[in-house]
Amino acid sequence: NAGVTQTPKFRVLKTGQSMTLLCAQDMNHEYMYWYRQDPGMGLRLIHYSVGEGTTAKGEVPDGYNVSRLKKQNFLLGLESAAPSQTSVYFCASYGGAIDTQYFGPGTRLTVL
Amino acid sequence: AQTVTQSQPEMSVQEAETVTLSCTYDTSESNYYLFWYKQPPSRQMILVIRQEAYKQQNATENRFSVNFQKAAKSFSLKISDSQLGDTAMYFCASSNAGGTSYGKLTFGQGTILTVHP
Repeated sequence: NAGVTQTPKFRVLKTGQSMTLLCAQDMNHEYMYWYRQDPGMGLRLIHYSVGEGTTAKGEVPDGYNVSRLKKQNFLLGLESAAPSQTSVYFCASYGGAIDTQYFGPGTRLTVL
Repeated sequence: AQTVTQSQPEMSVQEAETVTLSCTYDTSESNYYLFWYKQPPSRQMILVIRQEAYKQQNATENRFSVNFQKAAKSFSLKISDSQLGDTAMYFCASSNAGGTSYGKLTFGQGTILTVHP
């Protein structure tokens, strides 16, 4: 039981490049989320999904797209990376006996 | 919309002593959850403690306890017998319960706690 995993752990991009972050969970949770963490601002919700095939916008969705083709996977895409997207990205899934979110280890993304 | 505020950017405490981290929140919902998460230098987000708003009894988990003041919308975390391993960033967070909340978390800005030997 790996919980929530994220790929990759680190990435450096140049402005304008694209990339996809992969989140996978093996807990059979319906709900999944993408957050970004910036210094002094806590974590902010980018997008979320309440089930396979569904996605919805969070607090800071601009510049990102997501897909949930399989229940266990939630992908976050950056079509044209900008320096303002330099951040640490966390994926989480929700459920379990105590109804709470379980977080992945995070991905540190730097856009030059 | 929910808001969560942590007014202490940094705190420090001596090993074995007690420290309290402050958190205030605002919500129009009648039922909600409150959380404290710990983020050590490894970056992993670790759930420390969870409080259900409809429960009057304060949650406790070993050395960690909360002081939940619903009317004041205050949710502080007390760490007793502080250990070096408690050094981390601590986030207060809230989530509406049920309905269309879908478990979404709103986080405070975080408090960096340093435990000194």
